[in-house]
Amino acid sequence: DVKVTQSSRYLVKRTGEKVFLECVQDMDHENMFWYRQDPGLGLRLIYFSYDVKMKEKGDIPEGYSVSREKKERFSLILESASTNQTSMYLCASSLLVSNQPQHFGDGTRLSIL
Amino acid sequence: AQKVTQAQTEISVVEKEDVTLDCVYETRDTTYYLFWYKQPPSGELVFLIRRNSFDEQNEISGRYSWNFQKSTSSFNFTITASQVVDSAVYFCALSERQGSARQLTFGSGTQLTVLP
Repeated sequence: DVKVTQSSRYLVKRTGEKVFLECVQDMDHENMFWYRQDPGLGLRLIYFSYDVKMKEKGDIPEGYSVSREKKERFSLILESASTNQTSMYLCASSLLVSNQPQHFGDGTRLSIL
Repeated sequence: AQKVTQAQTEISVVEKEDVTLDCVYETRDTTYYLFWYKQPPSGELVFLIRRNSFDEQNEISGRYSWNFQKSTSSFNFTITASQVVDSAVYFCALSERQGSARQLTFGSGTQLTVLP
């Protein structure tokens, strides 16, 4: 079974802090994704990566950056956290082949105070 | 314009009732894929089914069935004889080619509550 592991289940940070959310997958997937989930809005794509050191913006990249130094690890960075970034963050991975489903981690519920 | 519409925000049924979750999508791609995911209270999204745009055959898996109709751009999901464990948020998603990889566009989800 595919395992996508997010480093924290719950995280509380303060406004202005630099925040790192880590995601690791164990199935050698090429694609990795970061979403945020908010009530009534479903999942919105922040960034995705289809290869090491490659990244592409999703629908809501503002205020975020990402890093993919190794194939199995994809990090989401909030450069200067703000209260409107309080949300559930979900990481996913998939094979490069276009019709393969994405596999999700358990999510990180991030609160910015 | 929203690409994936799940008009039902919340549905509540009594155990053993059948329930259908609606999903309407829009795309200009001729090749695309549709997915359903389940998100139980624990939070992890669980993949349920994938359909490609060339395969309109309905599918049944146990108590779950899916009705894909290209003519109405719909991909509806029916749970037969619902159970309390079916309570979850269900997401429909569309995969099109954007940029360098296919991305998933999710609907806003339908919260299903099955009452004992």
